[in-house]
Amino acid sequence: ETGVTQSPTHLIKTRGQQVTLRCSSQSGHNTVSWYQQALGQGPQFIFQYYREEENGRGNFPPRFSGLQFPNYSSELNVNALELDDSALYLCASSLQGAEEQYFGPGTRLTVT
Amino acid sequence: SQQGEEDPQALSIQEGENATMNCSYKTSINNLQWYRQNSGRGLVHLILIRSNEREKHSGRLRVTLDTSKKSSSLLITASRAADTASYFCAIPFTGANSKLTFGKGITLSVRP
Repeated sequence: ETGVTQSPTHLIKTRGQQVTLRCSSQSGHNTVSWYQQALGQGPQFIFQYYREEENGRGNFPPRFSGLQFPNYSSELNVNALELDDSALYLCASSLQGAEEQYFGPGTRLTVT
Repeated sequence: SQQGEEDPQALSIQEGENATMNCSYKTSINNLQWYRQNSGRGLVHLILIRSNEREKHSGRLRVTLDTSKKSSSLLITASRAADTASYFCAIPFTGANSKLTFGKGITLSVRP
């Protein structure tokens, strides 16, 4: 166990809806990164938050947004859901600039 | 792209045998990491090797890095059924140690 928790575990949404996924980082970690993993693929970097600010973003549209709170927990919000958004969403916590990432168990999102 | 590419895509071996997995990449790197994922759950960090290292050991794991060939290999010795999982190599974005790019992964099956 890494100490990183995510909620919910599973989620089913309809195309066009909005979703919020949550992540609690490991104690002491000030940086949270979010990844999307489609079935049969490797994780793809969405964005990272440090000190409540976005600190780098991958190739994802603006309808993917996030927040980081003073206790370093984080949310991933996805608006106007599309079928291709169906994936496992992983968050990872670390210290800023650290090499090793500690991943949570993920949230499985299904968009119908 | 710095994304690593793992080889083979799938590997099936008998318990007790050794498993060798390879990762190739295209650009210069600071480090290369290997992660394991069980049944679509969170990723577990296995081992990190820096660009100035050629070989590293951790328990039954041995990782090598050849920066001239831009490749790495992960060897699991005396495999166990519990090693059945997907394995990914991960490379940090340039200048951003805590943001990772992943390959598509290798599915390892260890038969009892």
